Amino acid sequence: AQKITQTQPGMFVQEKEAVTLDCTYDTSDPSYGLFWYKQPSSGEMIFLIYQGSYDQQNATEGRYSLNFQKARKSANLVISASQLGDSAMYFCAMREIPAGGTSYGKLTFGQGTILTVHP
Amino acid sequence: NAGVTQTPKFQVLKTGQSMTLQCAQDMNHNSMYWYRQDPGMGLRLIYYSASEGTTDKGEVPNGYNVSRLNKREFSLRLESAAPSQTSVYFCASSLVKNIQYFGAGTRLSVL
Repeated sequence: AQKITQTQPGMFVQEKEAVTLDCTYDTSDPSYGLFWYKQPSSGEMIFLIYQGSYDQQNATEGRYSLNFQKARKSANLVISASQLGDSAMYFCAMREIPAGGTSYGKLTFGQGTILTVHP
Repeated sequence: NAGVTQTPKFQVLKTGQSMTLQCAQDMNHNSMYWYRQDPGMGLRLIYYSASEGTTDKGEVPNGYNVSRLNKREFSLRLESAAPSQTSVYFCASSLVKNIQYFGAGTRLSVL
């Protein structure tokens, strides 16, 4: 079973509008972290936002917010006021924190969603 | 702000040739990682190093070896390249909350 599922291969949004990119995850660990990365056409991976499983509030970073619904195991990325430069591939990823609480943790990535922002 | 630096950016190999991908970070991070990205797929972990002196296999380690040379540097070696190893390779490093910061990637083609 996939641990991270991004069901939208592609999304389109009009400039200045908001868009939600979906991500669901599967884990039995009580402690985990959820991440979103942006990959523009130039290829680099850019960290956007992080949500810990015990965080009480949804994470926000500028125009990015993470709609974290723990019971539904979803961690959707919301981009407000879309800009042309937001056109990119977006990846959701999860870190399962192993028992023993080591400081590292492998990231498991979803397959990504291509976002296209229209002028 | 160098961050994570990968060399080379592009490489073409013939089947059976060997090469080493270099990665260095200047953020004093403890953990470092090597991923590969294939078309239509997310990143898959090849090897990681939780701290200097340790390395562990990830999801797809076959055909690769790694060396954590010191805290800054983590190299990935292909001993005998195969066409199936044609991919984009990313190095990453992390410290707090495992927020991983990535290099620009190496595009490798094996003919």
